[in-house]
Amino acid sequence: DSGVTQTPKHLITATGQRVTLRCSPRSGDLSVYWYQQSLDQGLQFLIQYYNGEERAKGNILERFSAQQFPDLHSELNLSSLELGDSALYFCASSVAGGQGAIDEQFFGPGTRLTVL
Amino acid sequence: AQKITQTQPGMFVQEKEAVTLDCTYDTSDQSYGLFWYKQPSSGEMIFLIYQGSYDEQNATEGRYSLNFQKARKSANLVISASQLGDSAMYFCAMRERSKAAGNKLTFGGGTRVLVKP
Repeated sequence: DSGVTQTPKHLITATGQRVTLRCSPRSGDLSVYWYQQSLDQGLQFLIQYYNGEERAKGNILERFSAQQFPDLHSELNLSSLELGDSALYFCASSVAGGQGAIDEQFFGPGTRLTVL
Repeated sequence: AQKITQTQPGMFVQEKEAVTLDCTYDTSDQSYGLFWYKQPSSGEMIFLIYQGSYDEQNATEGRYSLNFQKARKSANLVISASQLGDSAMYFCAMRERSKAAGNKLTFGGGTRVLVKP
């Protein structure tokens, strides 16, 4: 158990719908990251938050948004869902923002999203 | 842009033998970090080992060691004395150390390892 929790574990929804994925980082970790794992695109970085502020952005679609709250949990919002959004969405956390130390990322169990 | 290449989509290894998983990377940065993660069939991502670009010695963690050849831009993972529980997908990842990049990881396509009894 990495200490990172994600809810829900599984999510089945229809095209055009909106969903919210939730992540709680390990105790003491300030950074939260979101990754998408799909068969055709592999593991891709979406976005990073550090202590409530957006730190880095990757291949995140405009239909997707995220935020990190004062208690450091994070939510990833996916809207106008398409079939191609079906994937495993990982949240990861680390102590810092990556400067100076190993600052390895600990991954949650993931949320498997199926869009029908 | 960073790129990680894992050329072995899948491989078999006999139990108790060693296996080497290849990883090559491409970056123009001088300062970067290389990671290996394991993803069992259950889906979670498990951190295995880390190598910094300025580390002079190859990293080791138990049965895992990283064969780091900076000039060749390769960071191969060696698993010694394979066990049935080592059957999983293995991902190589790189992190560049720049403020703009934050702490994002760029992953390779992965190598599936199946340990045979």
